[in-house]
Amino acid sequence: DVKVTQSSRYLVKRTGEKVFLECVQDMDHENMFWYRQDPGLGLRLIYFSYDVKMKEKGDIPEGYSVSREKKERFSLILESASTNQTSMYLCASSSPGLADNEQFFGPGTRLTVL
Amino acid sequence: GQQLNQSPQSMFIQEGEDVSMNCTSSSIFNTWLWYKQDPGEGPVLLIALYKAGELTSNGRLTAQFGITRKDSFLNISASIPSDVGIYFCAGLIAGTASKLTFGTGTRLQVTL
Repeated sequence: DVKVTQSSRYLVKRTGEKVFLECVQDMDHENMFWYRQDPGLGLRLIYFSYDVKMKEKGDIPEGYSVSREKKERFSLILESASTNQTSMYLCASSSPGLADNEQFFGPGTRLTVL
Repeated sequence: GQQLNQSPQSMFIQEGEDVSMNCTSSSIFNTWLWYKQDPGEGPVLLIALYKAGELTSNGRLTAQFGITRKDSFLNISASIPSDVGIYFCAGLIAGTASKLTFGTGTRLQVTL
């Protein structure tokens, strides 16, 4: 069964802290994505990666960075957390091929920045 | 980034009723996906559509890829309480290499 896991379901951090959100997939997918989800705004793409050590900016990359050292793991980094980064963060993965558009999501991390 | 116009934003319906929601865009899409998100969970793929005019069912759910390739519809027949959640459409524009564009979601609540 397809599985995407995220390191934390809930996280509370203080303004200015460095925050790491981890995502792991066990499907050998090449593509991995980080989104944030806010009420009324749907899912907005932060960063994505097509391969190890490769990253591309999404629609809202400001204030975030990512790391993909291994195929199965994609990390989202908030260098200096701010209150406007309080949100639900969703990781997803997909594989090039016939159904390469079908992204599988993790359960999400609800981050609160105080 | 572009977003899809999804409507309605929310719905309150009674158990047993049919539900319809749709997504529209000014851009042409070559793939449409419909996801459901339960409270506190990540979205789960319900239906994928790959051809204009395609009509696909998954149990009580039916989705259609609009002929103009700028819209898609999702219908749920005979709703039940576990249909509660947020439904998202997502589309892929040709040439954007697996980057999905998501709708803003339709929140469905079902009353007994």
